[in-house]
Amino acid sequence: AQSVTQLGSHVSVSEGALVLLRCNYSSSVPPYLFWYVQYPNQGLQLLLKYTTGATLVKGINGFEAEFKKSETSFHLTKPSAHMSDAAEYFCAVSKNNQGGKLIFGQGTELSVKP
Amino acid sequence: EPEVTQTPSHQVTQMGQEVILRCVPISNHLYFYWYRQILGQKVEFLVSFYNNEISEKSEIFDDQFSVERPDGSNFTLKIRSTKLEDSAMYFCASSGGTSEQYFGPGTRLTVT
Repeated sequence: AQSVTQLGSHVSVSEGALVLLRCNYSSSVPPYLFWYVQYPNQGLQLLLKYTTGATLVKGINGFEAEFKKSETSFHLTKPSAHMSDAAEYFCAVSKNNQGGKLIFGQGTELSVKP
Repeated sequence: EPEVTQTPSHQVTQMGQEVILRCVPISNHLYFYWYRQILGQKVEFLVSFYNNEISEKSEIFDDQFSVERPDGSNFTLKIRSTKLEDSAMYFCASSGGTSEQYFGPGTRLTVT
């Protein structure tokens, strides 16, 4: 079975500060890992994904995440937060096959203070 | 840029009524999904659909739920007799030949 745990339901940072959103996963098979963002009253937008290959993956809007198998983690980072980054962020895992369902974490709400 | 669309954006229904939520996936995609998000909770998988049949479903997806691809473009989720606990945001998603799923904006279902 697969599962995802996101540490911290709410993270608050100042504009320009580092953003770090934590995600740990459990999977009995090599996982595919994803970060999605949800802005208010909108659907889920893919930020980035890890499937195979390079463990540091870069996504949209300056976000990146590193797959660490030994730590079963896939933390999301951004060097400098912008006000527009305020949203809900979801980490998700799937099996490494086409058509596989996504298993989501509980989500982390990111607030950015001016 | 192609996108997944969903209608309606908000549906209010009375307990026991049937509802149909509609989705238009990205045109060349082959895999289709429904997820739901109860207010304040995580996004949960309901069902996946491929080659005109259900490929996987969750425990939530009981006999009250059904999915259909009635034509070449629409993908629907039907709830036969709604319950209060069915109130949630329902998301449709689709994917092509990769693991990447594209989500629609969601339909907020309110059961009164």
